[in-house]
Amino acid sequence: DQQVKQNSPSLSVQEGRISILNCDYTNSMFDYFLWYKKYPAEGPTFLISISSIKDKNEDGRFTVFLNKSAKHLSLHIVPSQPGDSAVYFCAASAAEYGNKLVFGAGTILRVKS
Amino acid sequence: NAGVTQTPKFQVLKTGQSMTLQCAQDMNHEYMSWYRQDPGMGLRLIHYSVGAGITDQGEVPNGYNVSRSTTEDFPLRLLSAAPSQTSVYFCASHDPGHRAFFGQGTRLTVV
Repeated sequence: DQQVKQNSPSLSVQEGRISILNCDYTNSMFDYFLWYKKYPAEGPTFLISISSIKDKNEDGRFTVFLNKSAKHLSLHIVPSQPGDSAVYFCAASAAEYGNKLVFGAGTILRVKS
Repeated sequence: NAGVTQTPKFQVLKTGQSMTLQCAQDMNHEYMSWYRQDPGMGLRLIHYSVGAGITDQGEVPNGYNVSRSTTEDFPLRLLSAAPSQTSVYFCASHDPGHRAFFGQGTRLTVV
């Protein structure tokens, strides 16, 4: 039973346009959400995070939106660049469960130039 | 800044062999963890530790052992390798703000 779901295995976007990656979760105890980026043959790297007390967090070209009522979060990348091509993982944690990270299956983003 | 260092990067084992995946961090984090990544399944937690001498099971602990004798090191032991343990393994060190910092991974093949 996947508690964190990324329903789109892949996404293709033109350079300069917006990339929107989506993530749904089922456990209402989750109170912290993170996005990780992963290049081939490397470990995941932290990108951006959001606490459940917020509904938006921005860091440069990256913005994460959280809709708690829908148990949904999204990562917006504007403008998309070819170097953004990678696998993006959504993750969630709950203080109740010792802040263990639960990951989604990942979405492959391809930015075409 | 080394961050999290994993060795080896690649390993091929025969069924039934044992081995230890090494992980070391230099960020003085109390919380460390091991994940495996399989196609279509994201990263799944194997074992984790909240400090030296303290370890606990994650989602998929069977067939693996861990120990944490120092803050820096968190080795993962495969007791008797099985083909189902073919995977990419990542060690992570977590800061107090929830962020996990990952090593480069170990690609393990069990034949």
